[in-house]
Amino acid sequence: GAGVSQSPSNKVTEKGKDVELRCDPISGHTALYWYRQRLGQGLEFLIYFQGNSAPDKSGLPSDRFSAERTGESVSTLTIQRTQQEDSAVYLCASSLAGSSASTDTQYFGPGTRLTVL
Amino acid sequence: AQTVTQSQPEMSVQEAETVTLSCTYDTSESDYYLFWYKQPPSRQMILVIRQEAYKQQNATENRFSVNFQKAAKSFSLKISDSQLGDAAMYFCALTGANSKLTFGKGITLSVRP
Repeated sequence: GAGVSQSPSNKVTEKGKDVELRCDPISGHTALYWYRQRLGQGLEFLIYFQGNSAPDKSGLPSDRFSAERTGESVSTLTIQRTQQEDSAVYLCASSLAGSSASTDTQYFGPGTRLTVL
Repeated sequence: AQTVTQSQPEMSVQEAETVTLSCTYDTSESDYYLFWYKQPPSRQMILVIRQEAYKQQNATENRFSVNFQKAAKSFSLKISDSQLGDAAMYFCALTGANSKLTFGKGITLSVRP
């Protein structure tokens, strides 16, 4: 596609429910990243995929958070038993990630705003 | 660990004037990359400019330029001829060998007509 897309745009859920957030990267981009942005803050790294593998999960805040990627394309971020502190905008980015991922610019989607009541 | 510091939470500039946004960083890596991203109310993070640490020449993109001071670990963004559409949050970010971006807290830029 032309850019990174994310769905849903907004999600309101009740505390304790599970949610799934979806990211469609730019076609051909092998690297995919998830970030969290709390109100008025910068972005916090959550997880990075190279292809379908996740070599860096260091940013996932708890075992309630998980993510997967299939077909070197779509990724899903799942939050189980949501808590109010999970309320934030979740942003996805992708990059070409050729021989060295760090040299590639990350292109961001519009994010999913999650509100946990 | 990498850190990025943006100490100014807000700035304002008159349309057509020049404004400079400050950023300092810390990293133990010798090979790294610095970025400025713009985030308008639509939430879309838009790349403004990128600087490779090994390059001494400051990056420029039309009205946007950086002042990269490697020894001082400073990476400021200069916006010339400010336009109303430049109003947004601006984030300074850093990446090294681990690929993930480390962001500052951002600065809100307003442009006065």
